[in-house]
Amino acid sequence: GAVVSQHPSWVICKSGTSVKIECRSLDFQATTMFWYRQFPKQSLMLMATSNEGSKATYEQGVEKDKFLINHASLTLSTLTVTSAHPEDSSFYICSAPRRLAEGYEQYFGPGTRLTVT
Amino acid sequence: GQQLNQSPQSMFIQEGEDVSMNCTSSSIFNTWLWYKQEPGEGPVLLIALYKAGELTSNGRLTAQFGITRKDSFLNISASIPSDVGIYFCAGRKFLTGTASKLTFGTGTRLQVTL
Repeated sequence: GAVVSQHPSWVICKSGTSVKIECRSLDFQATTMFWYRQFPKQSLMLMATSNEGSKATYEQGVEKDKFLINHASLTLSTLTVTSAHPEDSSFYICSAPRRLAEGYEQYFGPGTRLTVT
Repeated sequence: GQQLNQSPQSMFIQEGEDVSMNCTSSSIFNTWLWYKQEPGEGPVLLIALYKAGELTSNGRLTAQFGITRKDSFLNISASIPSDVGIYFCAGRKFLTGTASKLTFGTGTRLQVTL
């Protein structure tokens, strides 16, 4: 079954508004979670690393003031897209590392499709 | 950011055929992973590889960690319609660790016809 959940699965918002996306690890704790963005027919691009109890680490070119990340507990990270614009429309996916036999591997949520009108 | 090169970009095959795809990098990775993504879903982990030269199977899937540590291969035997999706390779510089980032490949889109 799923080990990482996301909510909502899709959202439509008006330009200029803010949208919050939740990512939860189910049945395990994650001090680190990752947020990706995926445009149609493209690969996943890492946006930021979410760290429980401390500031997120953003990849080069990702505006930290636009994409606010909060990792308030060991099972929840949130991504808030502030003042959304149509170019922010994308598929946002989170992941959390979970223990496998030889180490930790990233398990992905089902994604959130954001459409900004 | 950096992406790994996957080939082929897309494949159209008949049910029952075997499939091969590969992933290459200009730099070394110490872990190679293969994921499958279906439309509107997040990627699902298929196989993880940790040692150069390692060959690992998961059902009809077999993946290999290239000995140069700059490439990896995925084979699917006797394809079935539910194999349809996009297959991504991913590399990680470090062997393990909860905060280690992944670099994803460009993806191989697989279509299976009856």
